[in-house]
Amino acid sequence: DIQMTQSPSTLSASVGDRVTITCRASQSISTWLAWYQQKPGKAPKLLLYKASTLEGGVPTRFSGSGSGTEFTLTISSLQPDDFATYYCQQYNSYPLTFGGGTKVEIK
Amino acid sequence: EVQLVESGGGLVQPGGSLRLSCAASGFTFSSYWMNWVRQAPGKGLEWVANIKGDGRTIFYVDSVKGRFIISRDNAKNSLYLQMDSLRADDTAVYYCARDIESHRVSEYWGQGTLVTVSS
Repeated sequence: DIQMTQSPSTLSASVGDRVTITCRASQSISTWLAWYQQKPGKAPKLLLYKASTLEGGVPTRFSGSGSGTEFTLTISSLQPDDFATYYCQQYNSYPLTFGGGTKVEIK
Repeated sequence: EVQLVESGGGLVQPGGSLRLSCAASGFTFSSYWMNWVRQAPGKGLEWVANIKGDGRTIFYVDSVKGRFIISRDNAKNSLYLQMDSLRADDTAVYYCARDIESHRVSEYWGQGTLVTVSS
């Protein structure tokens, strides 16, 4: 199975900050990577797929990059609505696997 | 509007069974891969199983193989998860999710249904 490791596990930031979350795969997954946002008590929301393709309706302050084993999710200017937990997911091979999550908290 | 509504969760004893359902609407159900993804209380997301639109291709995470069965009824626009030999570590919110057409990533999610395995 491909292991997905996210860092940091928790991130404290202020509105307006540039925020970067890293996701590492235990083996190459090309660009078969997605990012989700989840708020407490809610279902996850797809943000990006194929490492850098923005899902429709997602603000352009969200961007993704990377290939192979290292990927990043960047929020260019953190907004109040962005405080949430973020997960990466590989879909290069089965079983599909998620990272452990990164909680973005208010500083 | 795409809608996914799960049902069937509840409290079950270890070793028991439960069948989850997901009613889909707002899209051509038979054209899409569908998934079950779970989340234990306070924990991260875990993909459980998926099934192709025609029902002929299915994948499972190892921890549920031989115990869970994913199925679909395209005539009823419904997805199912039959869960047998339930264990305490199966306790989670179970989400039904629909994939994007050409990627195994979940674009639409239901609200989830809680399964609690406890004596």
